[in-house]
Amino acid sequence: GDSVTQMEGPVTLSEEAFLTINCTYTATGYPSLFWYVQYPGEGLQLLLKATKADDKGSNKGFEATYRKETTSFHLEKGSVQVSDSAVYFCALSDQVKAAGNKLTFGGGTRVLVKP
Amino acid sequence: EAQVTQNPRYLITVTGKKLTVTCSQNMNHEYMSWYRQDPGLGLRQIYYSMNVEVTDKGDVPEGYKVSRKEKRNFPLILESPSPNQTSLYFCASTSGVRGDYGYTFGSGTRLTVV
Repeated sequence: GDSVTQMEGPVTLSEEAFLTINCTYTATGYPSLFWYVQYPGEGLQLLLKATKADDKGSNKGFEATYRKETTSFHLEKGSVQVSDSAVYFCALSDQVKAAGNKLTFGGGTRVLVKP
Repeated sequence: EAQVTQNPRYLITVTGKKLTVTCSQNMNHEYMSWYRQDPGLGLRQIYYSMNVEVTDKGDVPEGYKVSRKEKRNFPLILESPSPNQTSLYFCASTSGVRGDYGYTFGSGTRLTVV
């Protein structure tokens, strides 16, 4: 079945440091890939997405490129801020099995940015 | 403001006492889903609905029921809650195929069953 694997946290960084969160996936079809962010006490928000191979999603300084050859969708940000402290989820939606537009999530990576 | 509204935000209940968590969206979305979030497991789909009166099981449906009588509402029903249903629950909605537009999530309901 579909699965998403992302690096375990917590990831602790200083402000202005470079952030990378690794994400790899397994899917039978041609999935769309997403990064969602969850700030403390809130629901998940869509951060960025990519719907086909080699697409780059970007938002708020974050980027991720859909790499079909390595089945990866790593999240990067060049200079993090304290306000980026959150839990980040990698997810996929499989085109072949799109019933209910189900999202398959990774386990989440907690990121803590210190001033 | 486009949003998904869940109620209540926090709930503590006792084993076996039926409860309903409400979910409402104001975006006219066809697709709605319920997920539960547990540490280290990410989010797992409980039930989903593709439109009014069309619902189906997700990955972890045991112990839950849903209904979709109106497009905007998608309540989650626990007929006889048990401690293993203690979790953080999210309702979400989207339009379009494969959720390519991204899901909009509610703020969550933290349920504790004692």
